[in-house]
Amino acid sequence: GNSVTQMEGPVTLSEEAFLTINCTYTATGYPSLFWYVQYPGEGLQLLLKATKADDKGSNKGFEATYRKETTSFHLEKGSVQVSDSAVYFCALSPLRTALIFGKGTTLSVSS
Amino acid sequence: GAGVSQSPSNKVTEKGKDVELRCDPISGHTALYWYRQSLGQGLEFLIYFQGNSAPDKSGLPSDRFSAERTGGSVSTLTIQRTQQEDSAVYLCASSQQGSNEKLFFGSGTQLSVL
Repeated sequence: GNSVTQMEGPVTLSEEAFLTINCTYTATGYPSLFWYVQYPGEGLQLLLKATKADDKGSNKGFEATYRKETTSFHLEKGSVQVSDSAVYFCALSPLRTALIFGKGTTLSVSS
Repeated sequence: GAGVSQSPSNKVTEKGKDVELRCDPISGHTALYWYRQSLGQGLEFLIYFQGNSAPDKSGLPSDRFSAERTGGSVSTLTIQRTQQEDSAVYLCASSQQGSNEKLFFGSGTQLSVL
């Protein structure tokens, strides 16, 4: 079946630290992969996506590379800011149905 | 409208009562999704609509849960005989055609069953 596993949080970092949030997946076929973000008090929104192996999605300084050999899509940012504090969800899109989300990872960045 | 609209934003009900949650997707979006967000459980898929039909309703947790979509637009999620474990935020999302594209989420309905 299809599933997504992300590292459990919370992740607590100081401003300007390097961020990695691990995400691995199990899927039939070749799904697209996504990171969604939920800022405090706001709805979920798409952060970045990748549609095929070796694609790199990027947005707002965040990056993730679709690694088929390790079935991973880890989220990285070189220097986090306080405004990056949010819940991050990894997701995959199976064929002809809805996105499957991981459980979410809470990131807290302090100044 | 400009975004996905959900109503009510908050609903408090007594155990055993029925509730209806409404989702108004972005105009022209053919795909509509319902999810449930509980503490520690992440986003749990409930049902997916393509137009007015539901090709995947595998996530509905029991036969107390049902959903419909009319006119390829508004959707209603109904929970009958609510239980305390139904308390959660119910999220609706829409996309132009399918989940391979960007999903636009509403702000959700916070359901509390006392």
